[in-house]
Amino acid sequence: DVKVTQSSRYLVKRTGEKVFLECVQDMDHENMFWYRQDPGLGLRLIYFSYDVKMKEKGDIPEGYSVSREKKERFSLILESASTNQTSMYLCASSFQGRVTYSNQPQHFGDGTRLSIL
Amino acid sequence: AQSVTQLDSQVPVFEEAPVELRCNYSSSVSVYLFWYVQYPNQGLQLLLKYLSGSTLVKGINGFEAEFNKSQTSFHLRKPSVHISDTAEYFCAVSDPSSNTGKLIFGQGTTLQVKP
Repeated sequence: DVKVTQSSRYLVKRTGEKVFLECVQDMDHENMFWYRQDPGLGLRLIYFSYDVKMKEKGDIPEGYSVSREKKERFSLILESASTNQTSMYLCASSFQGRVTYSNQPQHFGDGTRLSIL
Repeated sequence: AQSVTQLDSQVPVFEEAPVELRCNYSSSVSVYLFWYVQYPNQGLQLLLKYLSGSTLVKGINGFEAEFNKSQTSFHLRKPSVHISDTAEYFCAVSDPSSNTGKLIFGQGTTLQVKP
């Protein structure tokens, strides 16, 4: 089974802090994704990466950055945390596929519930 | 841009009753479709997926979904629900013409199974 591990289940930080959320997958997947989940809004894509050192903005990248130095690890960075970034953050990974890229399901970690005070 | 609409935010149902969770998508081109389940305090798990072929797709835990191209729908069904099915369910769509593997998720439907 695919294992996607997020480093923290719960995290409390203060406004203005630099916050790192870490995600590691063990299936050699090319694609990795960061989402935030808020009640009534579903999952919104923050950033994704399709290869080491490659990244693309998702739908809500403002206030966030990402790092992918190794294939198995994808980090989400809140440069200066604000209270409106209090949310559940979900990491996912997927296999890229050889012929078509979009028929592969995404595999999710258990999430990090981040509170910014 | 593609979008996914889950028509019900909450669906209350009694144990052993049938249930249908509705999902419509906006794309006019061929798509791949997924249903995920999220149990409390957990990440999302894949329930089932439609890639091609038979329009009736069977998944885990007794769930199935039917792809209807003319109505651009992908409704999820279970003939008899259990208390343990209480969870949030997400419908998602990808664009086969895209090379990114991105999914577009619906807003989610909370299934509340009552004893």
